Amino acid sequence: QKEVEQDPGPLSVPEGAIVSLNCTYSNSAFQYFMWYRQYSRKGPELLMYTYSSGNKEDGRFTAQVDKSSKYISLFIRDSQPSDSATYLCAMSGMFSGGYNKLIFGAGTRLAVHP
Amino acid sequence: EAQVTQNPRYLITVTGKKLTVTCSQNMNHEYMSWYRQDPGLGLRQIYYSMNVEVTDKGDVPEGYKVSRKEKRNFPLILESPSPNQTSLYFCASRLGGTDTQYFGPGTRLTVL
Repeated sequence: QKEVEQDPGPLSVPEGAIVSLNCTYSNSAFQYFMWYRQYSRKGPELLMYTYSSGNKEDGRFTAQVDKSSKYISLFIRDSQPSDSATYLCAMSGMFSGGYNKLIFGAGTRLAVHP
Repeated sequence: EAQVTQNPRYLITVTGKKLTVTCSQNMNHEYMSWYRQDPGLGLRQIYYSMNVEVTDKGDVPEGYKVSRKEKRNFPLILESPSPNQTSLYFCASRLGGTDTQYFGPGTRLTVL
């Protein structure tokens, strides 16, 4: 079983739709949860960062963490064609040697069509 | 401009021909990592470095070497590339004590 599971999609939605992207994980040591966005032929860039359970909102984006269920979500409201990208969840925790290792999901490819 | 640079961006080579992919960051970050990205598998860490002369294996280190002689540079070396190392490679850096990784633009490697 992978430490982080993420549905690879692709997910295709019309412009203006609400998008829900999700990841599940198995290691309860994870404390920090992130979403990265990766445009085609580019490196990933950090979109949202949350610590522990709860919600965090930034413009049209909301990140949700439920540590009891080991489940994180990213919601995109009023989706735009410019949101078309691959979204990778990532999480970290302190592992051996004091190194805060980052583990990525496989990424979900999203296409928002006009 | 704060950035991570990688060279080359694209490389086609043959089995067994040694190659080096360079990585450089200008943000004075302590931590640097190399990842490979494959369809359905996501980003997997190859090697990481916590500071100059301090490196350690990630999840998929076989067939790769790294060195960290200067803080800004973290080259990835494939001594004898094989076709299963065909992949998209990313270098990343972050400041110690933070989780925000800054990624380079990627190097697409094909080993024939």
